[in-house]
Amino acid sequence: AQTVTQSQPEMSVQEAETVTLSCTYDTSESDYYLFWYKQPPSRQMILVIRQEAYKQQNATENRFSVNFQKAAKSFSLKISDSQLGDAAMYFCPFAMGDKIIFGKGTRLHILP
Amino acid sequence: ETGVTQSPTHLIKTRGQQVTLRCSSQSGHNTVSWYQQALGQGPQFIFQYYREEENGRGNFPPRFSGLQFPNYSSELNVNALELDDSALYLCASSLRDFSTDTQYFGPGTRLTVL
Repeated sequence: AQTVTQSQPEMSVQEAETVTLSCTYDTSESDYYLFWYKQPPSRQMILVIRQEAYKQQNATENRFSVNFQKAAKSFSLKISDSQLGDAAMYFCPFAMGDKIIFGKGTRLHILP
Repeated sequence: ETGVTQSPTHLIKTRGQQVTLRCSSQSGHNTVSWYQQALGQGPQFIFQYYREEENGRGNFPPRFSGLQFPNYSSELNVNALELDDSALYLCASSLRDFSTDTQYFGPGTRLTVL
C-alpha cells in the first residue's frame, strides 16, 4: 500500500528559529512527485515546495528547503527564520500518475 | 487568496439524502480535483477531471460522482449520504496535471450529515 507518514502531529518553534518537519512515504513506483502544502487556520491550502523524485538536488524556495532521501523514502521540510505567518497544518503528499496521497499532517505553532 | 471558489460554505444534510457541491476553477485551468478531509485528517483524493472527463479516482464508492463544465465550474455529487461523509470537501484546480502543475485549492465546503 502507498502511504505517507508524518510522525509529528504537532511542533512548536520560536519565531526566527529553524524547524524541520519530518515525512516518510512508501511506494514501489520510481517516478513520482513530492510536495509540501500549508493549510493555515481557516484559509486555503497552498503549495510550499515541490520535488521531482528523479532529481537528486534538493528543492529550495526562499526560507523553505527540503532534504530528499530517495533510498530512505524520506522528505523533510526545513523552515528557516520562522515567522508568525508560518503557523499552519503542513502536509507532504506524493503524486504519481493519476493519484495523490496525503498524510495526516503536522500542526506547526510559532511562538512569539 | 487563490482564484478558486466553492459553494456553499457550510451544509447540513440527513443520512440518505443527496448533495451537490460546487467549485469554480481558475480561468484556464483544465483539471479539477476533489478531496475529502475528515476532521483531524489529511485530504483524501476522491477524483480528478480533465476537460470534462474523469481522469483518476481514489478509493471512493460510485455514489461519489462528479461533473466538469466548459466554463471552469465543476460539481461533486454524493448520493445516499452516510454519517461518515461528514467532512470538509476541497476542490483544487491546475493547468493539466496535479503532479507537474501547481494545484490551487478552494476554501472548502463543510458538510455535516446528521
